[in-house]
Amino acid sequence: AQTVTQSQPEMSVQEAETVTLSCTYDTSESDYYLFWYKQPPSRQMILVIRQEAYKQQNATENRFSVNFQKAAKSFSLKISDSQLGDAAMYFCAYTGTASKLTFGTGTRLQVTL
Amino acid sequence: KAGVTQTPRYLIKTRGQQVTLSCSPISGHRSVSWYQQTPGQGLQFLFEYFSETQRNKGNFPGRFSGRQFSNSRSEMNVSTLELGDSALYLCASSDLSGANVLTFGAGSRLTVL
Repeated sequence: AQTVTQSQPEMSVQEAETVTLSCTYDTSESDYYLFWYKQPPSRQMILVIRQEAYKQQNATENRFSVNFQKAAKSFSLKISDSQLGDAAMYFCAYTGTASKLTFGTGTRLQVTL
Repeated sequence: KAGVTQTPRYLIKTRGQQVTLSCSPISGHRSVSWYQQTPGQGLQFLFEYFSETQRNKGNFPGRFSGRQFSNSRSEMNVSTLELGDSALYLCASSDLSGANVLTFGAGSRLTVL
C-alpha cells in the first residue's frame, strides 16, 4: 500500500520570505502522480501543483515549485515571496494506478507580518 | 464553468439516523470520488464512481454506500449513523485526462449527536 508522510505539523513564515514544506512517500509503482493541495479555513481543497513521476523536471506554478527526488521518494513544496493568503493547511497527495488519492496528514502554514 | 457542487453544506443528525449527501461534478467530468476528513483520521478515500459503476472502494463499513446517476451526479449514503461519522465529506470530480487531477467541492459538514 502507498503511504504519504508529512513530518511538519506546523510551519511559520514571514510575509515575503520563502518556506519549504516536506513530504515523503512510499510506493512500489513506477508510474504515479504527486500533488500538493491547499485547504484554507473555508475548507475548499485547492490544487496547488502536480508532478508526473516520469518527468525529471521539477514542476513550477508561479511562486510555487517542487523539489522532486524520485530515488529518495521525496516531494517538497517551496513557496516563494509568501503572502498572507498562503496561510492554510497543505496536503501532499499521491495517486498511482488506483483511481484514488492518498493524502498525508497535512502541514498548517502560518504567515506572519 | 461551474465547479463541483455539494449539498447540503451543513447538517446535524442523531445517532441511528441515516443521511444522504449529493455531489454534482463539473460538466463533462465522469469520475466522482468521495473522501472523509476528520481531525483524528485525516483524509480517507471512501469510493470512486465512473459511468455509474463503483471502480474503487476504501476501507469503510457497509453502512457507507454510494451511487452515480447517468448525468454523473453522485450521492453517498450513511446508514445507522454513529458519533464517529461526524466529519467533513468531500466530493471530487475528474475528467480522467492525464494526471487525473481532482477538483474538489466545498464539502458537506456532518455532525452526529
